[in-house]
Amino acid sequence: AQTVTQSQPEMSVQEAETVTLSCTYDTSESDYYLFWYKQPPSRQMILVIRQEAYKQQNATENRFSVNFQKAAKSFSLKISDSQLGDAAMYFCAYTTIMGGGATNKLIFGTGTLLAVQP
Amino acid sequence: DVKVTQSSRYLVKRTGEKVFLECVQDMDHENMFWYRQDPGLGLRLIYFSYDVKMKEKGDIPEGYSVSREKKERFSLILESASTNQTSMYLCASSLYRWIAGDPYEQYFGPGTRLTVT
Repeated sequence: AQTVTQSQPEMSVQEAETVTLSCTYDTSESDYYLFWYKQPPSRQMILVIRQEAYKQQNATENRFSVNFQKAAKSFSLKISDSQLGDAAMYFCAYTTIMGGGATNKLIFGTGTLLAVQP
Repeated sequence: DVKVTQSSRYLVKRTGEKVFLECVQDMDHENMFWYRQDPGLGLRLIYFSYDVKMKEKGDIPEGYSVSREKKERFSLILESASTNQTSMYLCASSLYRWIAGDPYEQYFGPGTRLTVT
């Protein structure tokens, strides 16, 4: 069975600094998607960034980038120039890909609570 | 913008009560999901549905049931609420087929924090 592990329950970063959140996963599939979701306090969960397993190039979205190491089954999130608004719970998630249509069940890690210090 | 709404942000119920949590999405998504979020456990899938009147059990379906009579609405039912069902409940929706630019993203509602006393 696929599993997703986030080993850092809490992290802290100074405003304007860079922080990296870790995620590892276990799967026997060769094709899949990985996601980082952000859940701000009392607000809706939103997608931060996604990575397709067959793409070797790491995904980037503005200040957010990933370090995807397929062989190591590692998928870390780097937040550059951290802002106060980045404070949130961050979840790593995995889904397999099925051809045609997909009931894309997500498997989530346990989350990392990121605090941003002014 | 995709909008997923949940009927209540906060709910307090008594043990043994029948509880209904409602979720509505406005993007014509085929897939809908109910998750339970607990500290240290992340999000765990309770049930999901890929079409009207279709449902499948997730990882923790015990004590819950669901109903999907219309495509846009997915209800979670606690037949007889218990204190161990005190939790945050999140609804999500997604497309069934891969569409360029929107591969497998799930869109979440704001959550319902349920307390069972």
